[in-house]
Order: sequence, then C-alpha cells, then structure tokens
Amino acid sequence: GAVVSQHPSWVICKSGTSVKIECRSLDFQATTMFWYRQFPKQSLMLMATSNEGSKATYEQGVEKDKFLINHASLTLSTLTVTSAHPEDSSFYICSGQGQGLGEQYFGPGTRLTVT
Amino acid sequence: GNSVTQMEGPVTLSEEAFLTINCTYTATGYPSLFWYVQYPGEGLQLLLKATKADDKGSNKGFEATYRKETTSFHLEKGSVQVSDSAVYFCALTGDNFNKFYFGSGTKLNVKP
Repeated sequence: GAVVSQHPSWVICKSGTSVKIECRSLDFQATTMFWYRQFPKQSLMLMATSNEGSKATYEQGVEKDKFLINHASLTLSTLTVTSAHPEDSSFYICSGQGQGLGEQYFGPGTRLTVT
Repeated sequence: GNSVTQMEGPVTLSEEAFLTINCTYTATGYPSLFWYVQYPGEGLQLLLKATKADDKGSNKGFEATYRKETTSFHLEKGSVQVSDSAVYFCALTGDNFNKFYFGSGTKLNVKP
C-alpha cells in the first residue's frame, strides 16, 4: 500500500521557538495532503488541507499564521509551528491523497512537546 | 452535517472474547465508512472500509457492515487477542474522500 512518512517522530522545543514537521509520500504522488492534530485521548481534528502548489485551506479556528503549511512538491508537505507555546503540544498527523487513489494514507505522527 | 459517534471506552476484554464497538453516523449524501486502528505511539492504520450500503468490510478477523437503515457501522471480532489492544476510530468521508470525520476513538484493552 501507499506509505507516508513523517519527520521527526518526536520533537521538544522551547516556548517561543518554531519547529518544522515534514510529511512525505514515499511511493505515490500526493496531490492533496492533510494535517491533523490529536489531543491526548481524543480524536483527530483536521487542521488544514493543502494541494500541491496552492495555498492551504484551514479549518475554522485554526490560526494560519501560527501553523504554516507548505506543499511545494507532490511528495512533500511541511507544517511549521511558529512561536510555539506549551498549549501547542500535541500529536500531529499528516495524510496524503493521490490522484485517483481515493482514500487518504496516514503518516505515523509527530509528537511535539513545547517546554 | 457529518459526524461520527462511537461508544466510549475503555473496553476491557479477556483474550478470545467477542468484541463489538458501536459506531453510528450522520451524513449527507452517500458516505464511505472506515475503521482505523492506532497502536500506542503510532499513526493510524486503515483496518477496513465499506463504500456503499450493505457492504461488509473485513480484515484480520475484524468485520463491519454498512447499515444505511440504522446509520451504523459497528466493528466486531469473534475472538480478540492481546495484540488487538489499541485505539479504534470510526470515520466517514464524502464522495471525494477529502474530508474525514472521525469518532472520538475507543480504547480496547485485551488481557491474557
């Protein structure tokens, strides 16, 4: 099946700094990538949808200036959490969707801890 | 609008017990339905899916049937194993598979 990877798998950063998370589709071209956030013991909440070469579409309540998403190629999307604060600590999961593939393929997730 | 409701957990079972995790949905149109599994510290893995009414998805001994009349997609397994311990998410998506709506997840603990 289609594989999506994320890097890093776990990151700790200090409050006020920025951190970048990469999401790669390894064996397919992801025309659309999605970013989700998962709070402890809760479900996944869609943050934004990005199409290759276009600006991301953010869900209501998600600050686009804080969570910068770039989808520069068909195999790579990045999420940058700017000026991170402890409340941004969470599990971030990306997924990719290829042209004609239909379903989304999920990455393993990145655990962000902001101290 | 679209939404998914799952039974709250945790669900604790002994090995070889029968498992049911309830899932009901609200949707416009004709959604596709999914069960995903998340093992500790990992991302989501697709367990099974059904794309139209009366379809049965199955994988690794798990089954779920798309019931349009009751708007349900309950997950079942006849005999659980310790290795099935994980969090299970029910989800739906629309025709273009773009936006997924997830249930809150149900944690399953299987004891030897």
